Amino acid sequence: AQSVTQLGSHVSVSEGALVLLRCNYSSSVPPYLFWYVQYPNQGLQLLLKYTTGATLVKGINGFEAEFKKSETSFHLTKPSAHMSDAAEYFCAVSSYNQGGKLIFGQGTELSVKP
Amino acid sequence: NAGVTQTPKFQVLKTGQSMTLQCAQDMNHEYMSWYRQDPGMGLRLIHYSVGAGITDQGEVPNGYNVSRSTTEDFPLRLLSAAPSQTSVYFCASSYSRDAGNTIYFGEGSWLTVV
Repeated sequence: AQSVTQLGSHVSVSEGALVLLRCNYSSSVPPYLFWYVQYPNQGLQLLLKYTTGATLVKGINGFEAEFKKSETSFHLTKPSAHMSDAAEYFCAVSSYNQGGKLIFGQGTELSVKP
Repeated sequence: NAGVTQTPKFQVLKTGQSMTLQCAQDMNHEYMSWYRQDPGMGLRLIHYSVGAGITDQGEVPNGYNVSRSTTEDFPLRLLSAAPSQTSVYFCASSYSRDAGNTIYFGEGSWLTVV
C-alpha cells in the first residue's frame, strides 16, 4: 500500500524567506510524486510532478522539489516566499500500477507574513 | 477552456435526502474520478472511471453511486445523505489512466448535510 505523510499541518514564513514543505512517502514500487496547491475555495492545481528521470523537478510559480529515494522524500521548496503563495499544499503519490489513483497527504497550510 | 466543471458549488441537504453532483469535462479525457476532502485528511478517492460504461470503487465508496454513460459526464449520486457526508467534493479527469498523466481538478462542491 502507498501512503504520504506531510510534516506540519501549518507552516508560517515571512515574505522573502525560504519555503520548505516536507513530504515523505511509502511505496513498494517506484513512485510517481505530485505537489498540488489549493487556494481558498478553489480546486487543486498541479505545481509539479516526478515520474522518472531527473530527480530535481521544477514547477510553476518558482517552486521545485527533489525526489530522494534513499530518504523516501519529496520536499517542496521555494527560495523566496511571496504573499500570493499563501495556500494549502498537498503532496500525493501514485505508481504505474495504480492508474490515475492518487493517495494524498493531509495537506500543509502555508501562511506568509509581510 | 472550461476544463472540469462541477455543479452545484454549494448545497445543503437534509439527512435522508438524495442528490446528484454533476461533473463534466471538455478535454476528451478517458479517466474521471471523484474525491472528497475533509479537514486533516487530504483528499480520498470515492469512485473512478477509466472510460464510458466502466466504473470502479475507490477508498471510500459507501453511500455513493456513479455512472459513466458518456465520455464527458461523470455524476456522483448520494443515495440517502448522512451528516458524515458533509464534505467538499472534487471531480477530476486525466487523459488516460497512465499514472504519469496530469490530473485536472474541478473547483469543488461544498455539501452540508443537516
